[in-house]
Amino acid sequence: GIQVEQSPPDLILQEGANSTLRCNFSDSVNNLQWFHQNPWGQLINLFYIPSGTKQNGRLSATTVATERYSLLYISSSQTTDSGVYFCAVEDDSGGSNYKLTFGKGTLLTVNP
Amino acid sequence: DGGITQSPKYLFRKEGQNVTLSCEQNLNHDAMYWYRQDPGQGLRLIYYSQIVNDFQKGDIAEGYSVSREKKESFPLTVTSAQKNPTAFYLCASSIGGGSGQFFGPGTRLTVL
Repeated sequence: GIQVEQSPPDLILQEGANSTLRCNFSDSVNNLQWFHQNPWGQLINLFYIPSGTKQNGRLSATTVATERYSLLYISSSQTTDSGVYFCAVEDDSGGSNYKLTFGKGTLLTVNP
Repeated sequence: DGGITQSPKYLFRKEGQNVTLSCEQNLNHDAMYWYRQDPGQGLRLIYYSQIVNDFQKGDIAEGYSVSREKKESFPLTVTSAQKNPTAFYLCASSIGGGSGQFFGPGTRLTVL
């Protein structure tokens, strides 16, 4: 099945710093999502981005489908950005268009 | 408010007992999913349903069962055959395959 690798596994920032999280995947996809899991376990949708670039406030994401990677940018980080960031993909191998495969996540800690 | 609800938030079970986790959505989504998350890990798919009265096994279906009698509801039963049931269980829904998935708040199951 498709493999999803996220880097770095852990990241510690000072408030106000910028960061880039990376997601590599092993096969072509028809869906890619970025999530933020808060300390209570809730998965918050950040982006649905199988290709291209999107921005939402201080967050933006870019997926280069032909090169099989996606990047999540966090600018001017805040303590509330802390948590685990997951990348998840749905491969387009036909017949499996409902399964999201998750990476292991990046644990982000933003210190005041 | 549209969304996905899961109940209960915390659940304790004795070994050998079956337990049912509830998932309800009012987003009018056709597809629903159950995922399991273990500490420090990403999510893994247990079962999914593309439409009412139909469901398919995911990667880790052994020891679990589901039903989909109504569009809004997709309960998960953790049976006594599941060897390591202690985990965080998340329910999701989507319009269909290839579209973004949205998650409920989760249920933490602990087997005593």
